[in-house]
Order: sequence, then structure tokens, then C-alpha cells
Amino acid sequence: EVQLVQSGAEVKKPGESLRISCKGSGYSFTTYWITWVRQLPGKGLEWMGRIDPSDSYTNYSPSFQGHVTFSVDKSISTAYLQWSSLKASDTAIYYCASGPNAEFFDYWGQGALVTVSS
Amino acid sequence: SYELTQPPSVSVSPGQTARITCSGDALPNQFSYWYQQRPGQAPVLVIYKDSERPSGIPERFSGSSSGTTVTLTISGVQAEDEADYYCQSADSNGGVFGTGTKVTVL
Repeated sequence: EVQLVQSGAEVKKPGESLRISCKGSGYSFTTYWITWVRQLPGKGLEWMGRIDPSDSYTNYSPSFQGHVTFSVDKSISTAYLQWSSLKASDTAIYYCASGPNAEFFDYWGQGALVTVSS
Repeated sequence: SYELTQPPSVSVSPGQTARITCSGDALPNQFSYWYQQRPGQAPVLVIYKDSERPSGIPERFSGSSSGTTVTLTISGVQAEDEADYYCQSADSNGGVFGTGTKVTVL
């Protein structure tokens, strides 16, 4: 059974750094792209970008380019979403999503709530 | 940036048919996908490649495409279908989601 398991909720202050994770299991981790999706409180889904775990090639949405960084550690089948300096406006639920076809998502993580508040 | 536009809300009585539209200029050239998101849960894929249904998704969910508009149809709506629904497609940067539609079962 394919599973994506994300790290837990985080509470951070503005200006702090953060890395959240998404661990894949039940499939060969390097064969499916990992896409990151943001959901602001009470709002819709936003496509942030994706990473190819086989070679760490990335596509970022223009709205997120330069604000976040995607990475992977193939040895532990884990993808990461990272911020170097959080803002209050980064408060949201972040999902990782994946599947055999890079265009759409059969599998989703459970979501990770990130709260940024002073 | 490329946008996919959905109606904010659709209301339907149990047993009736709900239709949710999604409009975008590039849809004639790209496949569309649909996700259901119940409150507090992660999205679930209900339609892929315009009209294909993943295993485990009830037959009452169907998808269609015509020009710049794609449609998710829920036939014989049940109370458990009350949720937010999002279309999704590809664009030059990778992907884009629709604005989302809240389906209310009266």
C-alpha cells in the first residue's frame, strides 16, 4: 500500500526557519514525483511545485519560487519543504502528493499545519 | 498566471444530480482531474484524464469535457458527497488547481 506520511504540526515565529517532511512507502520512492500543495486557512488548494526524487530536478510555481525550497533524501525515501525565513502569511496546511503520473495525484499525505505567529 | 474557474457553491437535494463546472483557456489541450476534499481531510482523486474513475470511486461520479469547460457530475447525490471539489490541470509551470466548489446536500 502506497503511503505518504508527513511530519507533525509546527508553531514558529516570524523569521524562523523550518523544514517539514513527507516519507513515502509502499513503492519505489524515486519513480514518482512529489508535489507540494498549500491550503491557506479556509481557502482552496494551491500548486506550489514538485521535485523528481530520482535526480532532485524541481519545478516551482512562480508564486512560490524563491520563497521555499524542495529537497529529497533518497536513502530514507523522504521529501522536504523548507523555509529560511517564515512569515505570518505562511500559516497554512501543506500537503505532499504523488502518483505514477506526474500530472495528477493518486496519493496524498495527511497534511502538516504550519502556524507562524509572534 | 493561468486560472481555472469554478462556481463557489452548488446545492443539491439527496438523489438529485450535481454538476460542477471548471473553465480554463488551456483545457482543450490538457487533461483535467477532480478531487474531493471533506472537512479536515486530505483531498481524494475522483476523476482523472477528464472522465476516468479511479478504483474505489463510486460510479455516480463522472467527468466530461467540452471546449474550455470540464464538468464533474455526481448522479444520485448522497449526504456523504457534501464536500469541496477542485479541478486541476497542467500549465507551463507544472500544475494549477481550480478555485474550488462547495457542494451542499440539502
